[in-house]
Amino acid sequence: GAVVSQHPSWVICKSGTSVKIECRSLDFQATTMFWYRQFPKQSLMLMATSNEGSKATYEQGVEKDKFLINHASLTLSTLTVTSAHPEDSSFYICSARSPDSSYEQYFGPGTRLTVT
Amino acid sequence: AQSVTQPDIHITVSEGASLELRCNYSYGATPYLFWYVQSPGQGLQLLLKYFSGDTLVQGIKGFEAEFKRSQSSFNLRKPSVHWSDAAEYFCAVGAGSATNKLIFGTGTLLAVQP
Repeated sequence: GAVVSQHPSWVICKSGTSVKIECRSLDFQATTMFWYRQFPKQSLMLMATSNEGSKATYEQGVEKDKFLINHASLTLSTLTVTSAHPEDSSFYICSARSPDSSYEQYFGPGTRLTVT
Repeated sequence: AQSVTQPDIHITVSEGASLELRCNYSYGATPYLFWYVQSPGQGLQLLLKYFSGDTLVQGIKGFEAEFKRSQSSFNLRKPSVHWSDAAEYFCAVGAGSATNKLIFGTGTLLAVQP
């Protein structure tokens, strides 16, 4: 149980276009999901907290108009990178908060975004 | 503010040798502590967690960790390392009940020599 999926696993897009990444909790309902960004050989940086039915809470320094987050259902959160630029190239990982524990999170496999 | 320190950026051990990865945290109250493992290009897998109770916790893949409040540490151990254990290891602390966020350390990259 407690499986989180992400789609796509990797994507290449041209500069200026938008890309949507999906995060799904497959066998449980997730009222809260998290989006992280990871640069090569670095730790995870929390970008935003996504709550079902409400606006996402962004971390300081993260542009909410560039990284649009929608948590429309209890099993799906999406991250849209708008007007992508090469510096947005990164590994994006989502997680879903466990329904049984406030702090435990189940992580997706990540999405590798390359902007050319 | 909460923080997590993993002093060792890179560690190399021989297969079959014992392993200890260090983690120190800064948190005012009783922390919620986690160890995750990440293989290249993959997401994170939970190895073990500490919320309360017995300070020595057992996890998957033969890993264990010990919570030491006096030292603000939560070190990860394994008695005999396997080549498949080569990966990046992250320690994390729960950062406040209002947000349920996790604060991650910078990670320790483990290499295993044959």
